[in-house]
Amino acid sequence: QVQLVQSGAEVEKPGASVKVSCKASGNTFTDHYIHWVRQTPGQGLEWMGRINPISGDTKYAPNFQGRVTLTRDTPISTAYMELSNLRSDDTAVYHCVRDPGVLAFDPWGQGTLVTVSS
Amino acid sequence: DIQMTQSPSSLSASVGDRVTISCRTSQSISTYLNWYQQKPGTAPKLLIYAASSLQSGVPSRFSGSGSGTDFTLTISSLQPEDFATYSCQQSYNIPYTFGQGTKLEIK
Repeated sequence: QVQLVQSGAEVEKPGASVKVSCKASGNTFTDHYIHWVRQTPGQGLEWMGRINPISGDTKYAPNFQGRVTLTRDTPISTAYMELSNLRSDDTAVYHCVRDPGVLAFDPWGQGTLVTVSS
Repeated sequence: DIQMTQSPSSLSASVGDRVTISCRTSQSISTYLNWYQQKPGTAPKLLIYAASSLQSGVPSRFSGSGSGTDFTLTISSLQPEDFATYSCQQSYNIPYTFGQGTKLEIK
């Protein structure tokens, strides 16, 4: 059973960047896409983008295009999400999730709280 | 973007009740519809994928139906552990979008 373990909570100032990591257990990191979803009380669940762990090809949601960068380090089974030019409304819990090949999200990482505050 | 509208936004029910939650999409998505359960302080959990397929390990009291623009999640007999928030999500096209959630509370 694949598990996704994310890095810890972050506090950043407006205008800064944050990079969250997501490490997959097991030997199946390259089997399926890794997606990133964030959750806020106001906007609910928002899909941010996905990365192909083999090729590194990415697809981003228009709302985040230009500010989000997804990367991966395949030898260590880790994916990364970097969000730049942070604003207060980027305060959210950020999840990495895997698509097991059924166009759905399972499992989910535990979430990383990113707080943007001056 | 495909808009997702869930109803109701909140629901009170009792243990043993049959409950249905609806999800409507702004355009037809065939059966590219998933349902998630989320409890406070935890990540969402996949219940149903492709509108009606039960995820491994999910109790059979959960079921999903629908196609096109109208979908339903049904819990046949509520158990105490089912009180949570339920969200639908379309995987028909990018950007994938979610419903706003239905909070299921104990009556």
